[in-house]
Amino acid sequence: GDSVTQMEGPVTLSEEAFLTINCTYTATGYPSLFWYVQYPGEGLQLLLKATKADDKGSNKGFEATYRKETTSFHLEKGSVQVSDSAVYFCALTPSGTGANNLFFGTGTRLTVIP
Amino acid sequence: DAGITQSPRHKVTETGTPVTLRCHQTENHRYMYWYRQDPGHGLRLIHYSYGVKDTDKGEVSDGYSVSRSKTEDFLLTLESATSSQTSVYFCAISGTSGANVLTFGAGSRLTVL
Repeated sequence: GDSVTQMEGPVTLSEEAFLTINCTYTATGYPSLFWYVQYPGEGLQLLLKATKADDKGSNKGFEATYRKETTSFHLEKGSVQVSDSAVYFCALTPSGTGANNLFFGTGTRLTVIP
Repeated sequence: DAGITQSPRHKVTETGTPVTLRCHQTENHRYMYWYRQDPGHGLRLIHYSYGVKDTDKGEVSDGYSVSRSKTEDFLLTLESATSSQTSVYFCAISGTSGANVLTFGAGSRLTVL
């Protein structure tokens, strides 16, 4: 079935370090791919998305590129800040389906230290 | 939280008691969802609604029921709470199913003793 696998955390980085959080998926066709972020004590919020192969989603300095050939959607940021400390979730919806078929990864906790 | 309010935010209850969680939205969105969040599992869909009185099951619906009598309110009921239902529950909304973008509430932490 359709699923998402993301790297386990926690991840601890110093401020201004480069961030990569790996996400790979299993799905038929061309799913839509998402990264959601959950700040402490809050609900999830959409960070970025991509709906077709080679699309790059970007927001708040974060980027992720939809790679069909490697079935990946890795999240990257060139210089993290303390305020980026949160849990990051990779997610997908299979092609032709709606948000009732949104599959989440298990989440990766990022802590950025000054 | 973009017009989504969950109540209560925290609840402690005993095994076997009924519990109802409420989700209220002011966005007039058609679709509403209930998820549970557990360590090692990410978020899993319990039930969702695609309109007033229109609901369907998600991945982990056993032991839960829902109701939606008004566009703005989506209730999640545990008829007889069990310790395995200790979790953080999130409500979410979306404007159209095709958009696939959810807006989440702040969550309700439920502890079943």
